[in-house]
Amino acid sequence: DAGITQSPRHKVTETGTPVTLRCHQTENHRYMYWYRQDPGHGLRLIHYSYGVKDTDKGEVSDGYSVSRSKTEDFLLTLESATSSQTSVYFCAIRAQANYGYTFGSGTRLTVV
Amino acid sequence: QQQVKQSPQSLIVQKGGISIINCAYENTAFDYFPWYQQFPGKGPALLIAIRPDVSEKKEGRFTISFNKSAKQFSLHIMDSQPGDSATYFCAAGGGADGLTFGKGTHLIIQP
Repeated sequence: DAGITQSPRHKVTETGTPVTLRCHQTENHRYMYWYRQDPGHGLRLIHYSYGVKDTDKGEVSDGYSVSRSKTEDFLLTLESATSSQTSVYFCAIRAQANYGYTFGSGTRLTVV
Repeated sequence: QQQVKQSPQSLIVQKGGISIINCAYENTAFDYFPWYQQFPGKGPALLIAIRPDVSEKKEGRFTISFNKSAKQFSLHIMDSQPGDSATYFCAAGGGADGLTFGKGTHLIIQP
């Protein structure tokens, strides 16, 4: 999607290894979000950011950490990946002035 | 605790028919109710959204009906087409802390 890029698009990793997913935006939006999507669960919020260095936990934050050192980048880290973290991860951005959320194309993560 | 309940889980509609997907929410602080469309391998894309100060919003073949007192809202797709086959998510939000999503409806439009 225009203005928001997720990397990598696909990743396979082993249980217990650290993994970092990146979300990059060119829209200069204040708000950024990480969601995970699993069959039968819809999209669930992991963490979100409301500004540089300002982050907060979402519904399913256990086992995840985030960082935002620049407006354009929001990183999601799995400190020690587990099989239950196999999922598709989506980043979303939102401007301050309106409620329009734009989603990235997702990262498919498989933990073996 | 599921704050947004979506039904049905799957739906099959004949081409030209009306597709109807329903959602119910619990949190009265929600003030933004969007619907997203997702194709396989893609991210969710905003389809249409409504705020609680109106009861209906129409954009082309897509209409949201909103019932504030019942805490329910629905998506109607008129003249459904095979290209509408996708997964649809309702969501609700009210501030900086993101959207709460329903579990999704897999819609199939049969030619």
